[in-house]
Amino acid sequence: EVQLLESGGGLVQPGGSLRLSCAASGFSFGGYAMGWVRQAPGKGLEWVSSISASGGGTYSADSVKGRFTISRDNSKNTLFLQMNSLRAEDTAVYYCAKDRWNYEFFFDYWGRGTLVTVSS
Amino acid sequence: SYVVTQPPSVSVAPGETARITCEGSDIGSNTVHWYQQKPGQAPVLAIYYDRDRPSGIPERFSGSNSGSTATLTISRVEAGDEAEYYCQVSGNSDHWLFGGGTKLTVL
Repeated sequence: EVQLLESGGGLVQPGGSLRLSCAASGFSFGGYAMGWVRQAPGKGLEWVSSISASGGGTYSADSVKGRFTISRDNSKNTLFLQMNSLRAEDTAVYYCAKDRWNYEFFFDYWGRGTLVTVSS
Repeated sequence: SYVVTQPPSVSVAPGETARITCEGSDIGSNTVHWYQQKPGQAPVLAIYYDRDRPSGIPERFSGSNSGSTATLTISRVEAGDEAEYYCQVSGNSDHWLFGGGTKLTVL
């Protein structure tokens, strides 16, 4: 059974940093692209960033480019999102999601999400 | 940049057919995927590659994509289908572009 478990969310001040993790199990993690999608309170889904199976290629939304960095450790079956220079508008539930293969560009499994709140 | 538009809400009586649209310029030349999200839960993939159903999704769910409109069709709607539905467009420069979501209400 595919399981994705996010952690690392919490309350952070504007301008601060946070690192999210996503522990994956139930599939061969190193064989699949992965991504992060966020959802602001009461709002819709917004894609944040994606990374190839090997980690050699990444994509990021313009809204986070230069501030957020996606990475992965295939030896530990873990996906990361390093978030710097956080803003109030980054407040959201952040979901870790699995691509169906290596950049089929949609997500077939999602974690339950971790809440990030940016506020002073 | 590319823009996709969904109606904010759709209402349907139990047993009827719900059609949720996703509109964009020549969207039929792109690929559309659909997700179902119930309150307090993570999204679930409902349709991929315009019309394919993942295992576990009822046959009542189907999809189409042509011209400027992609459509998620839910036949014989049940109370348990009440949820927010999001389209996601891939195939252009914005590989993971989500629509704004449509709230399906079962009357």
